[in-house]
Amino acid sequence: QKEVEQDPGPLSVPEGAIVSLNCTYSNSAFQYFMWYRQYSRKGPELLMYTYSSGNKEDGRFTAQVDKSSKYISLFIRDSQPSDSATYLCAGSGGSNYKLTFGKGTLLTVNP
Amino acid sequence: EAGVAQSPRYKIIEKRQSVAFWCNPISGHATLYWYQQILGQGPKLLIQFQNNGVVDDSQLPKDRFSAERLKGVDSTLKIQPAKLEDSAVYLCASSLGLGYTEAFFGQGTRLTVV
Repeated sequence: QKEVEQDPGPLSVPEGAIVSLNCTYSNSAFQYFMWYRQYSRKGPELLMYTYSSGNKEDGRFTAQVDKSSKYISLFIRDSQPSDSATYLCAGSGGSNYKLTFGKGTLLTVNP
Repeated sequence: EAGVAQSPRYKIIEKRQSVAFWCNPISGHATLYWYQQILGQGPKLLIQFQNNGVVDDSQLPKDRFSAERLKGVDSTLKIQPAKLEDSAVYLCASSLGLGYTEAFFGQGTRLTVV
């Protein structure tokens, strides 16, 4: 079983839609949970991170973590064509804080 | 603030040849990561350094891959000999240190093995 599982999609939505991206994880040592965004032919960039369980909001983006079910979510409100990218969830924890990624979900927002 | 620099951006080699990638992390960042990202997949950690010491290299194919960070700053990743399945983007990332959540990534080196 992979430490972080993520549905690779692809996911295509119309502009203005609410997008829900989800991951599950198996490593109980994870304490930090991140969402990275990766545009084509670029390196990943950090969107948001959450410590332990709970919600975090930043503009149109909301990250949720439920440690009891080992479930990670990212919601994008009022999605824009510029949000079209691959979204990678990741977990980190343990003695060396190794950063472990899911496969990524390719999102396309159509104008 | 300058980002993580990687070179070359692209490399095409024949199988069984050797190749080396270079990474210059953000100044002051103690932790440096090398990831392999195969097309359509998420980044897979190959090796993690804290200053010039190895923290994790459990997924590094040590029979053909090697990496060093001699002075705790720049790092090189080498593949010798390369196989077709090594075709991927090799990403370097750095962070302030262990426990700092934000890792900054370079643009990567796209390797094609033919």
